[in-house]
Amino acid sequence: AQSVTQLGSHVSVSEGALVLLRCNYSSSVPPYLFWYVQYPNQGLQLLLKYTSAATLVKGINGFEAEFKKSETSFHLTKPSAHMSDAAEYFCAVTLGEGYSTLTFGKGTMLLVSP
Amino acid sequence: DVKVTQSSRYLVKRTGEKVFLECVQDMDHENMFWYRQDPGLGLRLIYFSYDVKMKEKGDIPEGYSVSREKKERFSLILESASTNQTSMYLCASNIGQAILQVSPLHFGNGTRLTVT
Repeated sequence: AQSVTQLGSHVSVSEGALVLLRCNYSSSVPPYLFWYVQYPNQGLQLLLKYTSAATLVKGINGFEAEFKKSETSFHLTKPSAHMSDAAEYFCAVTLGEGYSTLTFGKGTMLLVSP
Repeated sequence: DVKVTQSSRYLVKRTGEKVFLECVQDMDHENMFWYRQDPGLGLRLIYFSYDVKMKEKGDIPEGYSVSREKKERFSLILESASTNQTSMYLCASNIGQAILQVSPLHFGNGTRLTVT
């Protein structure tokens, strides 16, 4: 079984500030990990994914995430927030075997102020 | 570009009605999924299908059923709608089982269902 915990249902930053969205996972086998973003009135779209290659993964729109096995974490970061980054972000995990499906976290709403 | 289309953006139904939510994808994906999204609960998997006429229960299948008669279409059915099924419903698809784990999900824009 697998699970995901996202710390903080809401995170507020100022434009230009560092963005840090936290995700911790639980998995019985080495996992595959994803970050998705949902803009208002839209479905989710993939930001980035970790599939056991490089531990530092770069995604779209300047986001990146680092897989840390010892901490069971996959936190999402961006050096400088932009107003257009305001959205809800979901971390997701899959066991990566058979018909294992994605398990999503509860989401973190990122608010960006001028 | 992959397109997942959900037939309705908003639906309002009465308690006890039979409700059909339709989803169509245009990229010949083997796998299709139905999630519901509720504030503070994230996305929860209702049902998924990895082939035509195949279906598997997700985490919260109670009160729902699905139909996949054609590869591109996956329908979610609420046999007798209840107020606790008021939610945002998201359909998604991805490439077949061999690379299920790493193939990203492509989502539709969602159907917001209100049951009164």
